Amino acid sequence: GAGVSQSPSNKVTEKGKDVELRCDPISGHTALYWYRQSLGQGLEFLIYFQGNSAPDKSGLPSDRFSAERTGGSVSTLTIQRTQQEDSAVYLCASSVDRGAAQETQYFGPGTRLLVL
Amino acid sequence: SQQGEEDPQALSIQEGENATMNCSYKTSINNLQWYRQNSGRGLVHLILIRSNEREKHSGRLRVTLDTSKKSSSLLITASRAADTASYFCATRGRGATNKLIFGTGTLLAVQP
Repeated sequence: GAGVSQSPSNKVTEKGKDVELRCDPISGHTALYWYRQSLGQGLEFLIYFQGNSAPDKSGLPSDRFSAERTGGSVSTLTIQRTQQEDSAVYLCASSVDRGAAQETQYFGPGTRLLVL
Repeated sequence: SQQGEEDPQALSIQEGENATMNCSYKTSINNLQWYRQNSGRGLVHLILIRSNEREKHSGRLRVTLDTSKKSSSLLITASRAADTASYFCATRGRGATNKLIFGTGTLLAVQP
């Protein structure tokens, strides 16, 4: 595709429910990143997938958060037993990741999650 | 928190004026990048400066980097109403990871 796409655009859920957020990276990009942005705040790194390597999960805030990347392309971020503090915009980005340190990350439009 | 800080938090200027935003960070970096965000949605990459560079230009953008002070500035010259957005700096640390650490952002409002 022309850019990174994310779905759904908006998600409203009730506290305690599980949610799944999807990210389709740019075709050919081997690196994929998830970030979280709370209202009026900067981006908080969550998780990073690089090719077939083990993902960098150092930013996941709790064990309720997990992410998968199937077939080296699409990624799903799952939040179990959602809490109100999980409300935020969840942004996905991808990059070519040829190992160069100068690469640009291309961001999707985000999923706005509201936990009631 | 590893998050960098930016100042000012908000900046309001008139069209045609210059806008300067500053970013400070905490760790050694490989490069520093500036991103723009409209309406709380996706970010757009503006410019990247490597740790061994001190200044870089791209169109109306000028970025400086002072690694001794762990700080960077973004200057937008001859601002336009369409430049109204939030601007974030992001640093890539040394090592194998491509993880970016973002600053808290500056909200720029350019009045027509």
